[in-house]
Amino acid sequence: DVKVTQSSRYLVKRTGEKVFLECVQDMDHENMFWYRQDPGLGLRLIYFSYDVKMKEKGDIPEGYSVSREKKERFSLILESASTNQTSMYLCATRSQGLFGEQYFGPGTRLTVT
Amino acid sequence: KQEVTQIPAALSVPEGENLVLNCSFTDSAIYNLQWFRQDPGKGLTSLLLIQSSQREQTSGRLNASLDKSSGRSTLYIAASQPGDSATYLCAVNTGNQFYFGTGTSLTVIP
Repeated sequence: DVKVTQSSRYLVKRTGEKVFLECVQDMDHENMFWYRQDPGLGLRLIYFSYDVKMKEKGDIPEGYSVSREKKERFSLILESASTNQTSMYLCATRSQGLFGEQYFGPGTRLTVT
Repeated sequence: KQEVTQIPAALSVPEGENLVLNCSFTDSAIYNLQWFRQDPGKGLTSLLLIQSSQREQTSGRLNASLDKSSGRSTLYIAASQPGDSATYLCAVNTGNQFYFGTGTSLTVIP
């Protein structure tokens, strides 16, 4: 079974803090994704990575950055957290190739106060 | 840009009924379509993946169909159970991007 883990299920941070969300997968998948999910808006892609040290912006990259130093780990960084970044953050991987299946982690519910 | 729509937004049925969830998308240039289930406060669980060259996929009581030319997919759930209560999302894969619908919230009443 594919396993995608995220470092925290719940996180509370203050405005202006730097926040790190970690995602680890155990299936040697090349593609990894970060989404945020908000009521009424669905899932929106923040960034994705198709290989180590490679990244591409998704639909809503503003205020975020990512890091992928090792194949199994994909980190999402909020440089200076703001209240409008309060959301559910979901990490996903895709099995080999463009035709692969997506697998999701359990999500991190981030609240910025 | 690809747009994905799921109708209805919410559905309530008595236990034992068969039901159909709908997903439509605007651009037929897709690699595949995936159906997910999401329980409250949790991540997404993959249910079925249909490649663009396929017409349908089955897993247990679930059957998903794909009509790429008309931009539609359906998820059929047979003999619904209370444990099927969840939000169901579809996602279309255009290569480097996945586009999601906002989901159908299903409640199965015992």
